Amino acid sequence: EAQVTQNPRYLITVTGKKLTVTCSQNMNHEYMSWYRQDPGLGLRQIYYSMNVEVTDKGDVPEGYKVSRKEKRNFPLILESPSPNQTSLYFCASSRQKPYEQYFGPGTRLTVT
Amino acid sequence: AQTVTQSQPEMSVQEAETVTLSCTYDTSENNYYLFWYKQPPSRQMILVIRQEAYKQQNATENRFSVNFQKAAKSFSLKISDSQLGDTAMYFCAFTPLSSGSARQLTFGSGTQLTVLP
Repeated sequence: EAQVTQNPRYLITVTGKKLTVTCSQNMNHEYMSWYRQDPGLGLRQIYYSMNVEVTDKGDVPEGYKVSRKEKRNFPLILESPSPNQTSLYFCASSRQKPYEQYFGPGTRLTVT
Repeated sequence: AQTVTQSQPEMSVQEAETVTLSCTYDTSENNYYLFWYKQPPSRQMILVIRQEAYKQQNATENRFSVNFQKAAKSFSLKISDSQLGDTAMYFCAFTPLSSGSARQLTFGSGTQLTVLP
């Protein structure tokens, strides 16, 4: 089954404790991206990657890191999480065409 | 920079009726795609419909259709014969196609649609 997977689905952590949210896709997509969703703000892009070893900042990259060492994986790293990073996070991927992005199931992160 | 505006935070419709969700966007791009995504209570983001800006014909997918007005930068979603399963948050989204745009996807703030029995 073609899909984007994220782990964990739920995470509660404390301020300053480094964490990684994994994202993997099995569709051989070139493009991958991370978004955060907050009430009243829709989804905002954090980072994206056009292909292996090619990453760039989205609209809200502060406090996040990413890497793209393999085509299928695109982990999101929070080196020192803070309470304002409490949010719902989505990973997505797409081909060059027809451009629509396929989303993972989401990761609910709470930082206390 | 692109912006997408959904001015209706909440809407409701009776089952079997028709409802239209509004979306406007602002861009200097000429080539782009527009999307409507649905997010039910499960939180999964599901693509509802896609419109290519260079196509004048409005996209349709079963009970879902759009009214795309390029000059007005308007992209509304019409849901016909509304069903209880249509209850969800609906997001309008925009992606430019110009080289170097990296196909960033810009979302509106969403419209919560409730279908009433």
